[in-house]
Amino acid sequence: QQQVKQSPQSLIVQKGGISIINCAYENTAFDYFPWYQQFPGKGPALLIAIRPDVSEKKEGRFTISFNKSAKQFSLHIMDSQPGDSATYFCAAGVETSGSRLTFGEGTQLTVNP
Amino acid sequence: GAVVSQHPSWVICKSGTSVKIECRSLDFQATTMFWYRQFPKQSLMLMATSNEGSKATYEQGVEKDKFLINHASLTLSTLTVTSAHPEDSSFYICSASRGGTQYFGPGTRLTVL
Repeated sequence: QQQVKQSPQSLIVQKGGISIINCAYENTAFDYFPWYQQFPGKGPALLIAIRPDVSEKKEGRFTISFNKSAKQFSLHIMDSQPGDSATYFCAAGVETSGSRLTFGEGTQLTVNP
Repeated sequence: GAVVSQHPSWVICKSGTSVKIECRSLDFQATTMFWYRQFPKQSLMLMATSNEGSKATYEQGVEKDKFLINHASLTLSTLTVTSAHPEDSSFYICSASRGGTQYFGPGTRLTVL
């Protein structure tokens, strides 16, 4: 019940295209859903996060869509750029638990020039 | 804001020796820090939750006598890998919690010969 399932495992898109990464969770107690971006040899960096009181959050080219009834959330990267090539992790947590997070398996995104 | 540092960024040691990794929150105080381990092309695996002034909480399967965690202050947590062996070689990443959000350090690459 603590798992967060992420797909696809890898994704290749052309420059300017839309990258879409999906995550699904089971634990209905989760109330915080961040996305992290990780470059090789670096620590993950917080990209964008959403709480279940909204269905969508947009920050620049990055958008999170959240479907509470389906227990799914997704990351959309508009106008994808080669510099976006990285591994993306979704996560879920319960804020009152001291921000302990459960991470998805990760998606390796490659944006071709 | 919300910068987390780790030291060292990489370390090579001989089998049987101990290695200490420091995690610091540079511009905020963190009552809770987390230690993760990451193998190549895999997700982050939570090892333990570190709370300032109290004993760390270890995840199932993590040897607390091997991975010693000390959260001495609101800005510093340390992970000591005792009697390191080649199978302990990995990428160790810490994070610090602020306002329910986890901010990650840059990671420490440990290689045990």
